[in-house]
Amino acid sequence: DAKTTQPTSMDCAEGRAANLPCNHSTISGNEYVYWYRQIHSQGPQYIIHGLKNNETNEMASLIITEDRKSSTLILPHATLRDTAVYYCIVRTPSDDKIIFGKGTRLHILP
Amino acid sequence: DAMVIQNPRYQVTQFGKPVTLSCSQTLNHNVMYWYQQKSSQAPKLLFHYYDKDFNNEADTPDNFQSRRPNTSFCFLDIRSPGLGDAAMYLCATSEGGTSYEQYFGPGTRLTVT
Repeated sequence: DAKTTQPTSMDCAEGRAANLPCNHSTISGNEYVYWYRQIHSQGPQYIIHGLKNNETNEMASLIITEDRKSSTLILPHATLRDTAVYYCIVRTPSDDKIIFGKGTRLHILP
Repeated sequence: DAMVIQNPRYQVTQFGKPVTLSCSQTLNHNVMYWYQQKSSQAPKLLFHYYDKDFNNEADTPDNFQSRRPNTSFCFLDIRSPGLGDAAMYLCATSEGGTSYEQYFGPGTRLTVT
């Protein structure tokens, strides 16, 4: 079973920052937080991952709380193309499997 | 530029008629995965290969089989498709080990008539 809890859906205005929360209260010390997204009719796409430090790449930022029980994915300037289902996943790097939870359906509003 | 290729993109089969979906990769990755995704649901892992080692998920029906003849190719065989097997089937790859990223193909949408 997925080890994360996410809101079912969220709306965000185009051009604003989209903040997607994820709870992972049972995360263990060697588990990372990964984010993927799935745009309609496409395969999932890797976004970012982190262990305990905040991370940023060209797509997004990942903020992990100090106790690591929750995190937030930030899309700094959301566009219509960011409309997708966003999946938060916890796993150890040596675990070959990804188990998807239900994800958050993000709607970017014009 | 395509890295994970799935053919065909759309497949129609008849109830009970065996069907094979194919996946190929240009990444030379060690691990290949098959997921099933039904409408409005998250992808569900069916099985994966680490090199030639096959790893089946406990709840994957026996009706689903897989073959990996070489590094580049992996096949999903559905021996007797039922109406409930209509879904998007996603292939993915990863380097394995400590690699953090899976690369997904565009999927094959299977219709069972």
